[in-house]
Amino acid sequence: AQSVTQLGSHVSVSEGALVLLRCNYSSSVPPYLFWYVQYPNQGLQLLLKYTSAATLVKGINGFEAEFKKSETSFHLTKPSAHMSDAAEYFCAVTPRGRRALTFGSGTRLQVQP
Amino acid sequence: DTEVTQTPKHLVMGMTNKKSLKCEQHMGHRAMYWYKQKAKKPPELMFVYSYEKLSINESVPSRFSPECPNSSLLNLHLHALQPEDSALYLCASSQDIETYYGYTFGSGTRLTVV
Repeated sequence: AQSVTQLGSHVSVSEGALVLLRCNYSSSVPPYLFWYVQYPNQGLQLLLKYTSAATLVKGINGFEAEFKKSETSFHLTKPSAHMSDAAEYFCAVTPRGRRALTFGSGTRLQVQP
Repeated sequence: DTEVTQTPKHLVMGMTNKKSLKCEQHMGHRAMYWYKQKAKKPPELMFVYSYEKLSINESVPSRFSPECPNSSLLNLHLHALQPEDSALYLCASSQDIETYYGYTFGSGTRLTVV
């Protein structure tokens, strides 16, 4: 079954530094890929999605992700971290032929002042 | 209206109780989902409804019983739960079961079984 792997359960950056959260998918056929953010005691909010239209996807709150088929990756980046970015980030996949999202294990982003 | 509303936000129930979780959306979405999320874990799919019909049941124990009375409403009926069922229960909806649309999630119901 297709899945996603998030490297690093915790990432800590300084305010103003680059944010890089890693996600790799396991498939020779590109699935649909998503990044979601979850703030404490809240539901999940869609940051951005890849649906094969463009390899560089821009999302909300200044985040973007680049789909790289050769690396089977869909890493999430933000040029300059804000304190408000501290949250749990989930990469998710909709495998072809399966009509439901499957989530990666998540990465907790800490932003240090 | 671009929200998925879940009630109640918190629920404490005994193992012999019967309770229900409610989820509502008015975005005209035709697919609705229940996910279970344990602490520090990703959400896990429980059920998927498409056009008010159950489409996916991820081998969920029968003490969880979903219901979709209409296209805007999704319920999860709970009966004889175990303490290990304590979790955050998330409802989501999408325009269609073709999930390249992405999901809109509610803020969840925090369930504690005592």
